[in-house]
Amino acid sequence: EDQVTQSPEALRLQEGESSSLNCSYTVSGLRGLFWYRQDPGKGPEFLFTLYSAGEEKEKERLKATLTKKESFLHITAPKPEDSATYLCAVQGPSLGAQKLVFGQGTRLTINP
Amino acid sequence: DGGITQSPKYLFRKEGQNVTLSCEQNLNHDAMYWYRQDPGQGLRLIYYSQIVNDFQKGDIAEGYSVSREKKESFPLTVTSAQKNPTAFYLCASSMRSSGANVLTFGAGSRLTVL
Repeated sequence: EDQVTQSPEALRLQEGESSSLNCSYTVSGLRGLFWYRQDPGKGPEFLFTLYSAGEEKEKERLKATLTKKESFLHITAPKPEDSATYLCAVQGPSLGAQKLVFGQGTRLTINP
Repeated sequence: DGGITQSPKYLFRKEGQNVTLSCEQNLNHDAMYWYRQDPGQGLRLIYYSQIVNDFQKGDIAEGYSVSREKKESFPLTVTSAQKNPTAFYLCASSMRSSGANVLTFGAGSRLTVL
């Protein structure tokens, strides 16, 4: 069964304190791994798509990496405005067209 | 600006009532989706549609119904058969292809059963 597990569930950092969020997945034939950011009471906002092991993508203070079993979202020198819940999702051929499996998210809080 | 509009943002329902959540997109996307989000759980797929007048059940379709009469619109009805409807509902859309496509989400509708 296709599965996505994110850790930790919640993470508190001081402004400027770098860290990483983890997304472990099990899917037969990965088509894509997605990272989204979600602010409280709002819809998820797309950040990255990764397609194959070894791929990396960056956006401002965020960098996403992918292996065959997991993805990391590295956050460098975070600011309070980076506080949000970060969602990971995978898509594979067994899931049917465009069906995604989401993890439960990591709630990130950056204290000033 | 292109995007997805969900309404209402907040909705209260008495037990035994059906309610309909609206979702409209102007992105010219073929595929549309409804997800449910509960605290501490990942998003779960309720229904999806890849083309007008066609839709498929997702993982938790029981107690819900949808229609897709127009490309731009994909309303979700939460029926009285849904035993635990209090949740945050998210509508999304994407281009239709066999590859991995990015979903664009609306701002969500929060349903509370009184």
